[in-house]
Amino acid sequence: GQSLEQPSEVTAVEGAIVQINCTYQTSGFYGLSWYQQHDGGAPTFLSYNALDGLEETGRFSSFLSRSDSYGYLLLQELQMKDSASYFCAAYTGGFKTIFGAGTRLFVKA
Amino acid sequence: DARVTQTPRHKVTEMGQEVTMRCQPILGHNTVFWYRQTMMQGLELLAYFRNRAPLDDSGMPKDRFSAEMPDATLATLKIQPSEPRDSAVYFCASGLEESEQFFGPGTRLTVL
Repeated sequence: GQSLEQPSEVTAVEGAIVQINCTYQTSGFYGLSWYQQHDGGAPTFLSYNALDGLEETGRFSSFLSRSDSYGYLLLQELQMKDSASYFCAAYTGGFKTIFGAGTRLFVKA
Repeated sequence: DARVTQTPRHKVTEMGQEVTMRCQPILGHNTVFWYRQTMMQGLELLAYFRNRAPLDDSGMPKDRFSAEMPDATLATLKIQPSEPRDSAVYFCASGLEESEQFFGPGTRLTVL
């Protein structure tokens, strides 16, 4: 079967750095995306990695290792507004995307 | 600014009734997705279209769900008859690249 595994919850302190991991098992794989979703809102795109390595976008960075079927989202200088759910999503080809179950991030003051 | 719109935003209906959800993708986007989100199952891909042609609807219960794109500005998702287990938030998303999808605000469906 096809699946993405990520932790269900992560808690961190304002100003800290947090890493959300994602491992995937898919029959085809072209890249890994990350989305943020606040309570009651819609998922919003954060980043995409098609190649191995680190992609940086402001306070957020995303990493991919295709050989390890593993990626992570790194959030730096955490703010209260970063409290949300974060989803990794694997693009498996044919315009199909499979989402992980999401990681709920709690940022404490 | 360009965004995906969905109507209605909220829908409460009784079991057995037909439900139609509509989505207007971002102008120029050629790929449209329908997702369902519940606490138990997370985000599930129901169906998606490329250039208005259905590519995959294997995630949809075929007996009661149907998805169409009558034109480039409108996608619809119908449930007939609806059941309480269909209660969820239904998201439409559109995009040009598979890696980045733009989600609409969702339709929160409650079937009593």
